[in-house]
Amino acid sequence: AQKITQTQPGMFVQEKEAVTLDCTYDTSDQSYGLFWYKQPSSGEMIFLIYQGSYDEQNATEGRYSLNFQKARKSANLVISASQLGDSAMYFCAMSLSVDKFYFGSGTKLNVKP
Amino acid sequence: ETGVTQTPRHLVMGMTNKKSLKCEQHLGHNAMYWYKQSAKKPLELMFVYNFKEQTENNSVPSRFSPECPNSSHLFLHLHTLQPEDSALYLCASSQGGRGREQFFGPGTRLTVL
Repeated sequence: AQKITQTQPGMFVQEKEAVTLDCTYDTSDQSYGLFWYKQPSSGEMIFLIYQGSYDEQNATEGRYSLNFQKARKSANLVISASQLGDSAMYFCAMSLSVDKFYFGSGTKLNVKP
Repeated sequence: ETGVTQTPRHLVMGMTNKKSLKCEQHLGHNAMYWYKQSAKKPLELMFVYNFKEQTENNSVPSRFSPECPNSSHLFLHLHTLQPEDSALYLCASSQGGRGREQFFGPGTRLTVL
């Protein structure tokens, strides 16, 4: 069963605008971690932001913030003030333990000048 | 060297060849992972090693054989592969635990002829 769902295969955003990338997850565990990664065309996966299931505040890292809605099981990534260098694939992931790590199918973000 | 390194970066092999992929992490992490990334598919977790012990094998065919001689090195031995095994193979490491992000290497782009 799909544990991480990203429903937007591709997104366009104008430079300097904000964009939200959607992610929903499925687990019956009470304790889990949620992550977002960026994968540029070079292939390397770059860690962006983390949210723990017990964290009450939404995580923020610079221009990245994670909109965590536990009851809806969603963990959307918000990128503010988009830059051309933000064009990449973005993956949402969930960790249930050290050996249970699940990735979504990704969203390809294109930032237009 | 810092972070997670992978060699080779590109590999082309015939179906009867035997080759190995190498991963090394310089982060002092306890857990190491092999992922397969095929076009238009989510990342597939193949193998997990935690403190050098294999803890996860997600029904990977026996033509893929992992080896973890110590917590800093991880190998993926390949033999009699199929063309559908062509993909980007990513290695990652983490400190372990559900709240710990994974740090990825640049990947090996494998083509099986």
